[in-house]
Amino acid sequence: SYELTQPPSVSVSPGQTASITCSGDELGDKYVYWYQQKPGQSPVLVIYQDTKRPSGIPERFSGSNPGNTATLTISGTQAMDEADYYCQAWDSSTVVFGGGTKLTVL
Amino acid sequence: QVQLVQSGAEVKKPGASVKVSCKFSGYTLNELSMHWVRQAPGKGLEWMGGFDPEDDETIYAQKFQGRVTMTEDTSTDTAYMELSSLRSEDTAVYYCTRGGGVIRDGFDYWGQGTRVTVSS
Repeated sequence: SYELTQPPSVSVSPGQTASITCSGDELGDKYVYWYQQKPGQSPVLVIYQDTKRPSGIPERFSGSNPGNTATLTISGTQAMDEADYYCQAWDSSTVVFGGGTKLTVL
Repeated sequence: QVQLVQSGAEVKKPGASVKVSCKFSGYTLNELSMHWVRQAPGKGLEWMGGFDPEDDETIYAQKFQGRVTMTEDTSTDTAYMELSSLRSEDTAVYYCTRGGGVIRDGFDYWGQGTRVTVSS
């Protein structure tokens, strides 16, 4: 079965750039989606179709998916960005989520 | 505006079934698809199934096939997810979430979650 691999944790200082990766076989041939989840809350879509931001998502969130590794980039990271982040893709008719990355802003 | 409002928390015994509802508003189901995702305590997101707009059918993750049924009542704009033969490992928060209507897309709106506890 298809797998998406994320680092369990990433740390970043406030104001710096955070990069969270998501790897999968021929991932560049699929659309990648990114979700932010804060404790006790439902997930929020922050990037769709590799690079697009839904309405209301700050411009500091961006995405890329050039090959086997997709990346979520948060520029000028703020304390409020501390959360779990999940990547997601479709593999044929199955939805796959990555294992999640805990972003710590310290 | 779009809203997905789920039913309340449930406590079930092993072997029982649970049926979670998700009332949606702000759109019609023939425009978009409904999916179900669960999250066990301290764990990641796990897709259970939903409507595949490209194959025009409801699809279930292999792990849940035979145990899960997803239905929709268009007269009340409510989606349902029923999981049977519950075991302790099914203890989780269950989310309904809105997917694409034409292509296999991401999930842009989520319900607030329904906590299901399976315990003897």
